Amino acid sequence: AQSVSQHNHHVILSEAASLELGCNYSYGGTVNLFWYVQYPGQHLQLLLKYFSGDPLVKGIKGFEAEFIKSKFSFNLRKPSVQWSDTAEYFCALGAGGATNKLIFGTGTLLAVQP
Amino acid sequence: DTAVSQTPKYLVTQMGNDKSIKCEQNLGHDTMYWYKQDSKKFLKIMFSYNNKELIINETVPNRFSPKSPDKAHLNLHINSLELGDSAVYFCASSRAGGGTEAFFGQGTRLTVV
Repeated sequence: AQSVSQHNHHVILSEAASLELGCNYSYGGTVNLFWYVQYPGQHLQLLLKYFSGDPLVKGIKGFEAEFIKSKFSFNLRKPSVQWSDTAEYFCALGAGGATNKLIFGTGTLLAVQP
Repeated sequence: DTAVSQTPKYLVTQMGNDKSIKCEQNLGHDTMYWYKQDSKKFLKIMFSYNNKELIINETVPNRFSPKSPDKAHLNLHINSLELGDSAVYFCASSRAGGGTEAFFGQGTRLTVV
């Protein structure tokens, strides 16, 4: 069965701290992986995506993620967070094929303290 | 210009009523979706349409009926609303085929009282 796990449900950091949010997936086929961010009261926005090629992908706002196939992981990182990064972060798996549906993890709420 | 737009943004209604949420995308995408985000922020796909044809129906109650008059629009009609239908409903669109990113609308917060 296809699934996505995010183990950190709630993370609190101080500004300038480094961030790593875990994401593990379960899927036997070719994966497409995404990180979306949802700022308070807003819609989901794409941070970055992995389809193929370089397993280290860079996204917007200084975020990056590394696809490690052997660990079924796609962790999100940022070297120095800002207060404006306070948001809910969702890892998602694109199961591919014609359906193109996304399977989301349960999300991680990041609170950055100034 | 808003890429994926939904109306209304907020919807408060009584149990048993029928309501509709509209969605339009101006990205030229062939595929559109409805996702439901529950009170715990968990997102789950409900429906997917590809060029006006239903391709995913994720065991959603029959009270929910999507309608796609053309590939730029995907509306969601809900009959006999129940308390458990309270959630945020997101419309999204993407290019056809696997492995493409989805663009989301602003969401419609539905509250059933």
